[in-house]
Amino acid sequence: SAVISQKPSRDICQRGTSLTIQCQVDSQVTMMFWYRQQPGQSLTLIATANQGSEATYESGFVIDKFPISRPNLTFSTLTVSNMSPEDSSIYLCSARPGSGGTDTQYFGPGTRLTVL
Amino acid sequence: QKEVEQNSGPLSVPEGAIASLNCTYSDRGSQSFFWYRQYSGKSPELIMFIYSNGDKEDGRFTAQLNKASQYVSLLIRDSQPSDSATYLCAVRGSSNTGKLIFGQGTTLQVKP
Repeated sequence: SAVISQKPSRDICQRGTSLTIQCQVDSQVTMMFWYRQQPGQSLTLIATANQGSEATYESGFVIDKFPISRPNLTFSTLTVSNMSPEDSSIYLCSARPGSGGTDTQYFGPGTRLTVL
Repeated sequence: QKEVEQNSGPLSVPEGAIASLNCTYSDRGSQSFFWYRQYSGKSPELIMFIYSNGDKEDGRFTAQLNKASQYVSLLIRDSQPSDSATYLCAVRGSSNTGKLIFGQGTTLQVKP
């Protein structure tokens, strides 16, 4: 398994500003992902964070709005840029250790973002 | 048609009963199937995964997979009020991207 931490756990931000969310895994993992979960909804994948290269974004998400970094096998950041109230959501980091031929995926505790 | 479908519920069962949660998926080449539990205000927690047709048991939980019918289920025996949560079905499809597709989740209520 993998133990994942995220910072900050929650934040309240003003419209037009940006917030960077950090995700730290306790061991090296093959894949890291960023999800958004809006109130009462399921998880929506934003992007796959690729180590050493540009993230792979899902339809409807763009790099200018959600820049992602993954400098090594245990750490990633997601920035929510030029925020609007519609960006209010829970942002979840996820990691797939990938050892032993399994593809189980674990989640961090999430970052609850409110944009005023 | 959604890629992964679940009945949103709520599914209400009495304490001690068997709760049956169902999920269907559209990609016939899907390889891996997962059940996550999510308590209100918390992040998803992996309960079980299953790769092969048939049943897989872990304590009070049993996952069932039928690839021919593109159907996966989760049975919770001796349901407890602490099992009340949203259960998310996730499927890794036939593409090599490694990403999971999540259903919308089923809310389970276990009444004392």
